[in-house]
Amino acid sequence: RKEVEQDPGPFNVPEGATVAFNCTYSNSASQSFFWYRQDCRKEPKLLMSVYSSGNEDGRFTAQLNRASQYISLLIRDSKLSDSATYLCVVKSAGNNRKLIWGLGTSLAVNP
Amino acid sequence: EAGVVQSPRYKIIEKKQPVAFWCNPISGHNTLYWYLQNLGQGPELLIRYENEEAVDDSQLPKDRFSAERLKGVDSTLKIQPAELGDSAVYLCASSLDLNGVEQFFGPGTRLTVL
Repeated sequence: RKEVEQDPGPFNVPEGATVAFNCTYSNSASQSFFWYRQDCRKEPKLLMSVYSSGNEDGRFTAQLNRASQYISLLIRDSKLSDSATYLCVVKSAGNNRKLIWGLGTSLAVNP
Repeated sequence: EAGVVQSPRYKIIEKKQPVAFWCNPISGHNTLYWYLQNLGQGPELLIRYENEEAVDDSQLPKDRFSAERLKGVDSTLKIQPAELGDSAVYLCASSLDLNGVEQFFGPGTRLTVL
């Protein structure tokens, strides 16, 4: 089992739709969690950190479920500009503090 | 403020040739990362530096890959000799330190090995 797993998609949704991505992680001691966004042929950029209490930034909501070892990203009222790959990133605990990257979930928002 | 700078942006070489990539991190960022990314995959860490010390190079294929970060600022990643399977995007990223929440990425170097 991979340390961080994501459904690669692609997710094809119409403008205005709500879409949700899940990401599972295998190390129960994982410490921190993030969602990065990567546009086609561009570098990844931090979208949001995922806190235990969940967090929201405009149309984006991230949640963490430690018991089931998954994090989620919800996008409401999808825009064409949301089309990108969304990468789940998990930071391990301890002195190593290694970042483990998922393969990414591809989203295409269609007019 | 300038972001992470990488050069070259594109490189095409024949197999068995050497190649080098250069990265200048964001000023003041102590931690520097080199990643490899294949199409449709997430970034894979090759090496991570804390200042000039390589704190994690467990994923670096040391038979052909080498890296250095002299003076704890700029870094170079070298492949010698390159193989067909090395074709990928090589990303450099930096963060304030190992606890840095956010990694800032450069635009990457797209390597094609023929």
